[in-house]
Amino acid sequence: DVKVTQSSRYLVKRTGEKVFLECVQDMDHENMFWYRQDPGLGLRLIYFSYDVKMKEKGDIPEGYSVSREKKERFSLILESASTNQTSMYLCASSLWQFGAFFGQGTRLTVV
Amino acid sequence: DQQVKQNSPSLSVQEGRISILNCDYTNSMFDYFLWYKKYPAEGPTFLISISSIKDKNEDGRFTVFLNKSAKHLSLHIVPSQPGDSAVYFCAASEGSTGNQFYFGTGTSLTVIP
Repeated sequence: DVKVTQSSRYLVKRTGEKVFLECVQDMDHENMFWYRQDPGLGLRLIYFSYDVKMKEKGDIPEGYSVSREKKERFSLILESASTNQTSMYLCASSLWQFGAFFGQGTRLTVV
Repeated sequence: DQQVKQNSPSLSVQEGRISILNCDYTNSMFDYFLWYKKYPAEGPTFLISISSIKDKNEDGRFTVFLNKSAKHLSLHIVPSQPGDSAVYFCAASEGSTGNQFYFGTGTSLTVIP
């Protein structure tokens, strides 16, 4: 079974803090993704990576950056957290386009 | 611009009846489509997929239909069970780029016992 693990289920951070969300997958998938889920907006892609050290912007990359130093790990960084970044963050991995496997999600609250 | 749309934010169905969830897309280059199910406070889980070379794919109680000319797909759940109550997302990808999935906004299904 594919396992995608996100480091935290719930996180509360202050405005202006630098926030790191970590994601690890154990199936040697090339592709990894970060999404955020907001009510009425569905899943919106922030960044994705199709190889180590490679990254591509998704639909809403502003205010975020990512790091992929190892194949199994994909980190999402909020450079300076703001209240409008309060959301559910979902990491996923996939082998080519044949379905993405998601982690359990991180509910981030920025106060 | 939303390339994958789910126009019904919610749906209620009696237990034992059929649930039909709909999804429309605008990009004719999409060639692979997926449905995900999501419970609160959990990540989405893959449910069923269909390639554009097919018009139907079945897996137990779940069937996905694809109408390429209408750029429309639907998920049928028969018979519906209370445990099917969740948010359902459809997603699409384009083979030539292969890497990115485009998701709809989700439909919240409630199956009434």
